[in-house]
Amino acid sequence: GNSVTQMEGPVTLSEEAFLTINCTYTATGYPSLFWYVQYPGEGLQLLLKATKADDKGSNKGFEATYRKETTSFHLEKGSVQVSDSAVYFCALSDRGSGGGADGLTFGKGTHLIIQP
Amino acid sequence: GAVVSQHPSWVICKSGTSVKIECRSLDFQATTMFWYRQFPKQSLMLMATSNEGSKATYEQGVEKDKFLINHASLTLSTLTVTSAHPEDSSFYICSASGLAKQFFGPGTRLTVL
Repeated sequence: GNSVTQMEGPVTLSEEAFLTINCTYTATGYPSLFWYVQYPGEGLQLLLKATKADDKGSNKGFEATYRKETTSFHLEKGSVQVSDSAVYFCALSDRGSGGGADGLTFGKGTHLIIQP
Repeated sequence: GAVVSQHPSWVICKSGTSVKIECRSLDFQATTMFWYRQFPKQSLMLMATSNEGSKATYEQGVEKDKFLINHASLTLSTLTVTSAHPEDSSFYICSASGLAKQFFGPGTRLTVL
């Protein structure tokens, strides 16, 4: 079956530090890959996605590249801000439809804490 | 962006009672809604896919008679936990499909005493 593994948290960084949150996956076929972010008291929001190998998703300074050879989709940001503090979830949709019509398989989430 | 609400945001009930959780898409129509369950420090687990006007499709291991799902309109899906027990205590999250994306509700915390 499908699975997503992401690094355990919490991850605590200082403002302006470089961020990497690792994510690897197991899936059949050609999945679409996602990063969702959850701010306190709010629902999950799509941060970025990639639908095929070597695609790079990017949004709000965050980036992730779909690496089929290493089955990874690591999230990176060059300079984090306090406002980036949230829980980040890596996820996949195994039919590669872009995530609209299919249920998602999620990782456990990584709590990111940015200190001023 | 599109907004999905859930009601209630938290509920405490006695063992053996039933609890209904509502999921609404506030500004768009969703032919498909999803229900997830999240245990502490665990990932969201897909429970079922709910399509408007038809029976829900349940994931393996999810009891359809215990977790009743109704999707009677394009903006509302409900999850009823029947004869709830303490092991059903969890965080239940819905999402609604629209514009080739999924939009998530804020979740409902269920505690069964």
